[in-house]
Amino acid sequence: QQQVKQSPQSLIVQKGGISIINCAYENTAFDYFPWYQQFPGKGPALLIAIRPDVSEKKEGRFTISFNKSAKQFSLHIMDSQPGDSATYFCAASVGGSNYKLTFGKGTLLTVNP
Amino acid sequence: DTAVSQTPKYLVTQMGNDKSIKCEQNLGHDTMYWYKQDSKKFLKIMFSYNNKELIINETVPNRFSPKSPDKAHLNLHINSLELGDSAVYFCASSPAGTGNTEAFFGQGTRLTVV
Repeated sequence: QQQVKQSPQSLIVQKGGISIINCAYENTAFDYFPWYQQFPGKGPALLIAIRPDVSEKKEGRFTISFNKSAKQFSLHIMDSQPGDSATYFCAASVGGSNYKLTFGKGTLLTVNP
Repeated sequence: DTAVSQTPKYLVTQMGNDKSIKCEQNLGHDTMYWYKQDSKKFLKIMFSYNNKELIINETVPNRFSPKSPDKAHLNLHINSLELGDSAVYFCASSPAGTGNTEAFFGQGTRLTVV
């Protein structure tokens, strides 16, 4: 049972374009939604996160859009750069004393120069 | 200074052997984790510890035994290694449960069982 579904599996974008990765969740108890970025040979690193009391959060070129009623959230990367090429994971967790992140299956983003 | 460090980075071993992976964090965090990343890059929680106490054991076989001697260390011992244990194992830490705080991951240990 996959609680966080992520798409697409892979994405190729031209430099300067917009990259969009989508996630959907099932567990309505989830209340924290981070995105992690992973480069080859490295561990995942937090990119940006959102809680469901806001519909959008922006940090530089990275924006999370959140739709609570649809149980969906997405990552938009504006002006994509070759250095953004990495695997992106959406995740979800239950706040408070919960102690695990449930990850989507990841999206391999390639930004061509 | 590496925030979350794991050793070894690579581990190649034969089926049936016992091996350990060590993890240390210098961030002063209360909570530490082990995640497994399979060949398709899927990340799945294995164990969570808070203040040296096991909080989550995500239906991991008994051959896997975590040990937390103190808040800064979380080691993973694996008995009777199987081919299916081949994966990248990530240690992580966070100030509290990951409800709303960042989890910091180590660089991973690539385990190959032959």
